Amino acid sequence: DTGVSQNPRHKITKRGQNVTFRCDPISEHNRLYWYRQTLGQGPEFLTYFQNEAQLEKSRLLSDRFSAERPKGSFSTLEIQRTEQGDSAMYLCASSLRGGSGRTYNEQFFGPGTRLTVL
Amino acid sequence: GQSLEQPSEVTAVEGAIVQINCTYQTSGFYGLSWYQQHDGGAPTFLSYNALDGLEETGRFSSFLSRSDSYGYLLLQELQMKDSASYFCAVRDGFNKFYFGSGTKLNVKP
Repeated sequence: DTGVSQNPRHKITKRGQNVTFRCDPISEHNRLYWYRQTLGQGPEFLTYFQNEAQLEKSRLLSDRFSAERPKGSFSTLEIQRTEQGDSAMYLCASSLRGGSGRTYNEQFFGPGTRLTVL
Repeated sequence: GQSLEQPSEVTAVEGAIVQINCTYQTSGFYGLSWYQQHDGGAPTFLSYNALDGLEETGRFSSFLSRSDSYGYLLLQELQMKDSASYFCAVRDGFNKFYFGSGTKLNVKP
């Protein structure tokens, strides 16, 4: 499978615990995005990387959230001191910078990690 | 800020044509995209418009009017498998994407 993969697919944790999610993008894609999606809503932008550089981060994102992409390949998203409001689906998407039009704007989404905070 | 408006739900019958509208207000605009998401699935890319006009991809077409901050997705020859949620998304000048709340399309026999 050459698509975007995310692990784990499901995570149940207790409030106050830390969690980490992993995303493996399509290998030649240099842009990687993290989104959060709750039921009945569209994906909400969290942050994105171009290669290993984190270029943008949502102002809505609290300091409890951090993301890395150390070698420009896979990425991790960590949530510290989880709260019940963090319960959501966390989606990763990758895209290929360069070219124009569709190539530049087409994002390939992974299956997501569903987080439940008890 | 960014805001995108689309109808919450649309119902149509198999074989029909349906149009899903999207209006947006953004501080920067570099294109309008459409995604399909089946229940329990990941969003999948359908189309992209950067310039005014109609883009056609098989049964799906997408239209953009930048002066009206408006676009739509047109689905023709509806099939049962088209039942899903459809999201419009805007890219700003910082390569961030903002998604609407989605339109749930119900296709009936």
